[in-house]
Amino acid sequence: DAGVIQSPRHEVTEMGQEVTLRCKPISGHNSLFWYRQTMMRGLELLIYFNNNVPIDDSGMPEDRFSAKMPNASFSTLKIQPSEPRDSAVYFCASSQTFYEQYFGPGTRLTVT
Amino acid sequence: GDSVTQMEGPVTLSEEAFLTINCTYTATGYPSLFWYVQYPGEGLQLLLKATKADDKGSNKGFEATYRKETTSFHLEKGSVQVSDSAVYFCALEGRNQGGKLIFGQGTELSVKP
Repeated sequence: DAGVIQSPRHEVTEMGQEVTLRCKPISGHNSLFWYRQTMMRGLELLIYFNNNVPIDDSGMPEDRFSAKMPNASFSTLKIQPSEPRDSAVYFCASSQTFYEQYFGPGTRLTVT
Repeated sequence: GDSVTQMEGPVTLSEEAFLTINCTYTATGYPSLFWYVQYPGEGLQLLLKATKADDKGSNKGFEATYRKETTSFHLEKGSVQVSDSAVYFCALEGRNQGGKLIFGQGTELSVKP
């Protein structure tokens, strides 16, 4: 299995631009999680889906952030408009419910 | 709400030294407990887990015991190697939380030859 796939691996953009991060979970996994990691705040859960349905989005920082999971094999996290404080590493993870979460390699986002 | 507290890093040890990274938690009920490891430039990987009180999780020479009476899940290794240098995260999954993990802030370990 290829594991969780995230793209792009690195993204540099200017403030105000739209950013879309992509994730392909492991086939057969029915839960998907988006995390953000920064030095200041550590690892934060932004949102998670179960069977493509958002279950808990209480970690989404504000309305500029949105996430979708149109099918079992694809999810996006969008930031519009982006701000410098959004600079972080964004991780996607997937699991079969109640089992181990498998993390992707992350997308390092830099907003200038 | 549920929370996890880890000892602050960085922790610097010499090769073959004994490692302890402290982790305590606050949760309602009886959560499952995990240690994840993050090597430089990579995502997190599950290192070990325990799902009930007095369980001991172990993997790659690392161990942690679920202590309900002290609400702790300390990570230990008898002899660390340079290749163990990484950031270690303690996490809990509350009951009926649909797989949602609560992570500690992470502890960076640096092992010198």
